[in-house]
Amino acid sequence: GIQVEQSPPDLILQEGANSTLRCNFSDSVNNLQWFHQNPWGQLINLFYIPSGTKQNGRLSATTVATERYSLLYISSSQTTDSGVYFCAAYNQAGTALIFGKGTTLSVSS
Amino acid sequence: DAGITQSPRHKVTETGTPVTLRCHQTENHRYMYWYRQDPGHGLRLIHYSYGVKDTDKGEVSDGYSVSRSKTEDFLLTLESATSSQTSVYFCAIFGSGSSGNTIYFGEGSWLTVV
Repeated sequence: GIQVEQSPPDLILQEGANSTLRCNFSDSVNNLQWFHQNPWGQLINLFYIPSGTKQNGRLSATTVATERYSLLYISSSQTTDSGVYFCAAYNQAGTALIFGKGTTLSVSS
Repeated sequence: DAGITQSPRHKVTETGTPVTLRCHQTENHRYMYWYRQDPGHGLRLIHYSYGVKDTDKGEVSDGYSVSRSKTEDFLLTLESATSSQTSVYFCAIFGSGSSGNTIYFGEGSWLTVV
């Protein structure tokens, strides 16, 4: 089945810094997504990005499906960006999302 | 607001007792999921449903059962709760959004088994 690996597991930044989070997946996927879990536990969709590049404000994501990786870029980080970032890909049957273990981001002022 | 509510939101129960968590949706989506979240493991799929009375196992289904008797409700039952089932449980639905098909999560149910 699909394996999803994220790196780094933990990231500590000063406010204003930029960062790149990586997601590697083991099999061909047709649906790759990024989520943010805030410190209160709420899970929020960031990007649905099976391929190509998308941007939303200070966040952008790129997926290179042929090389089986996706990157999430956070520019000019803010304390509100803190939390856990997950990437997830659908299993081969397309019936369920398989999650990576997440990257825990801490942004300090 | 994706129209998902979980209940109870917090529960403490004793080892060996049955526990049922409820997920209710107002979106009429076909697919519903139960995940558990534990430190160091991310979110792991327990069971999912692709329609009324149609369910299948995920990667960590042992000790859990599910039922879906109507579209809007997906129940997760811990048949005999154990301390290893202390976790945060998230329900999710799969539907269409402005960015394409995507998954929406409930707010989570914190379960402690003592």
